[in-house]
Amino acid sequence: GEDVEQSLFLSVREGDSSVINCTYTDSSSTYLYWYKQEPGAGLQLLTYIFSNMDMKQDQRLTVLLNKKDKHLSLRIADTQTGDSAIYFCAGIQGGGSYIPTFGRGTSLIVHP
Amino acid sequence: DVKVTQSSRYLVKRTGEKVFLECVQDMDHENMFWYRQDPGLGLRLIYFSYDVKMKEKGDIPEGYSVSREKKERFSLILESASTNQTSMYLCASSVGQNTGELFFGEGSRLTVL
Repeated sequence: GEDVEQSLFLSVREGDSSVINCTYTDSSSTYLYWYKQEPGAGLQLLTYIFSNMDMKQDQRLTVLLNKKDKHLSLRIADTQTGDSAIYFCAGIQGGGSYIPTFGRGTSLIVHP
Repeated sequence: DVKVTQSSRYLVKRTGEKVFLECVQDMDHENMFWYRQDPGLGLRLIYFSYDVKMKEKGDIPEGYSVSREKKERFSLILESASTNQTSMYLCASSVGQNTGELFFGEGSRLTVL
């Protein structure tokens, strides 16, 4: 099955850009996702990218997909304290799968 | 908006007790999932269900069972709680196949003493 790897922690200063990275093993992943989990809450879908895309931008969020290296990144511009959360990347294989594979999550800490 | 509701946000139980965690979704989703979340380990899938009365084991089913008698409700059962089942439990739902778009509940934090 798919493996998804993320670094566990990232610390940035308020106003800087944050880049959270993820690598995956299954090149047949059809969709790749970023979820955000705020303290004490469940996960919420932030954004996703289809495997035939290289980039997707949504306001302060930019998702980059490098299929050759199986690398996915989430860039948050002008990071705010409200962006402090755990960010999970996830992928799903094609061919009728029901179950996405999640990375372990990256804790983003934004300090003043 | 899709809503996934977990009945209890916080529970404290004693070793050996039977524990029920309830989850209800209101968007007629076929698929429902139970995960546990532990620091440094991310999300681990316990069980999932893709239809009423259907259930499939996930990665860590030992010590757990599930019930899906109605499409909107998916229950996680700990037959005899143990201290190593102290964790955050997350329920999620999704529609159809080939989608990783899951809708999560707020989580149930279980402490077993």
